[in-house]
Amino acid sequence: DIQMTQSPSTLSASVGDRVTITCRASQSISSWLAWYQQNPGKAPKLLIYKASSLESGVPSRFSGSGSGTEFTLTITSLQPDDFATYYCQHYNSYPYSFGQGTKLEIK
Amino acid sequence: QVQLVESGGGVVQPGRSLRLSCAASGFTFSTYPMHWVRQAPGKGLEWVAVISSDGNNKYYADSVKGRFTISRDNSKNTLYVQMNSLRAEDTAVYYCARVRGGPNSNYFDYWGQGTLVTVSS
Repeated sequence: DIQMTQSPSTLSASVGDRVTITCRASQSISSWLAWYQQNPGKAPKLLIYKASSLESGVPSRFSGSGSGTEFTLTITSLQPDDFATYYCQHYNSYPYSFGQGTKLEIK
Repeated sequence: QVQLVESGGGVVQPGRSLRLSCAASGFTFSTYPMHWVRQAPGKGLEWVAVISSDGNNKYYADSVKGRFTISRDNSKNTLYVQMNSLRAEDTAVYYCARVRGGPNSNYFDYWGQGTLVTVSS
């Protein structure tokens, strides 16, 4: 089974900052990786698919990169709505799995 | 618009059973694989199970294999999960989720609002 490891677990930043979250897969998953944003009490929301493709309606300050086993989610010019928890997820093969999450907090 | 509405959650004693439902609307349900994903209180997301569009293929997380059964009724546009031999560690919000579909597009584009299952004596 493929394990997904995110870092950091918590990230403190300010409005306007640029932040990067890293996700590592235990084996190559090509580009079969998605990123989700989750606010408390809400369902996750798709941000990025196929490692770097921006979901329709998602602001362009969100971007993804990587392939194989190393991936990043970058948010430029943080906005107040961006303070949430972020998850990576591979869909290379079953069983799918998620990273443990990165909570983005206001500094 | 696409809607997924889960129901059936509640408080159940360890060892007992529960069936969750997910009513789908706004898309051609019978052409999409469907998944269950859960989230324990204060924890991360855990993939649980998937069923193919025709219901013939199913896969499960090791943590639920042999205890949970995913199924669907395409005539009723409804996804189910039958959960048997429930344990305290099954306590979670259970989400149904649709994948975009198509070649190599098996990421979750729509999620339900979730239903809470609490396993406690």
